[in-house]
Amino acid sequence: GENVEQHPSTLSVQEGDSAVIKCTYSDSASNYFPWYKQELGKRPQLIIDIRSNVGEKKDQRIAVTLNKTAKHFSLHITETQPEDSAVYFCAARPINTGTASKLTFGTGTRLQVTL
Amino acid sequence: ETGVTQTPRHLVMGMTNKKSLKCEQHLGHNAMYWYKQSAKKPLELMFVYNFKEQTENNSVPSRFSPECPNSSHLFLHLHTLQPEDSALYLCASSQWAEGDFLYEQYFGPGTRLTVT
Repeated sequence: GENVEQHPSTLSVQEGDSAVIKCTYSDSASNYFPWYKQELGKRPQLIIDIRSNVGEKKDQRIAVTLNKTAKHFSLHITETQPEDSAVYFCAARPINTGTASKLTFGTGTRLQVTL
Repeated sequence: ETGVTQTPRHLVMGMTNKKSLKCEQHLGHNAMYWYKQSAKKPLELMFVYNFKEQTENNSVPSRFSPECPNSSHLFLHLHTLQPEDSALYLCASSQWAEGDFLYEQYFGPGTRLTVT
């Protein structure tokens, strides 16, 4: 089955700096890679996703890049703000597995944006 | 609260108790999921239901028993749990993915379960 590794487990940046979180996956059949943000005491929420036919996707201060050859994808947050502080989870999903909505998650990265 | 709701939000139970977690989605979705979230571990998918039919059971111990009476409601029945089962249990819903198209999963707030 799919295995997703996520690094770093914790990340502290100063407000205004950029943050990068990296994930690797094992199943070359995976073709959908969402990122979820979970604020303290709240539910995970989708912030951005990318499919394998695209190398990069941006949404305001958030961007995700995908390298299918190396089987890794990254989340980039620019001009970080205190409200970006949360735990971020990457995930991967293989296509045509018979369980079309099954996601395998990484272990999470706790991002702390300091003033 | 709209979207996906879960009750109770907190639950403390002994190892010999029987309890149930409830999830309800108000989004018109047809797929529902149970996840377990433990400290320093990834979100673990436990069960998947599509149109009330269970399509995935990720080798979950039989002391966890899911029930999906309709596409809006999902239960997780618990009995003779172990202390290591203490975790946040999250419910999620989505439209069922068709082929190459995947719909976003919406999570509930979770039930914080403590087994004593």
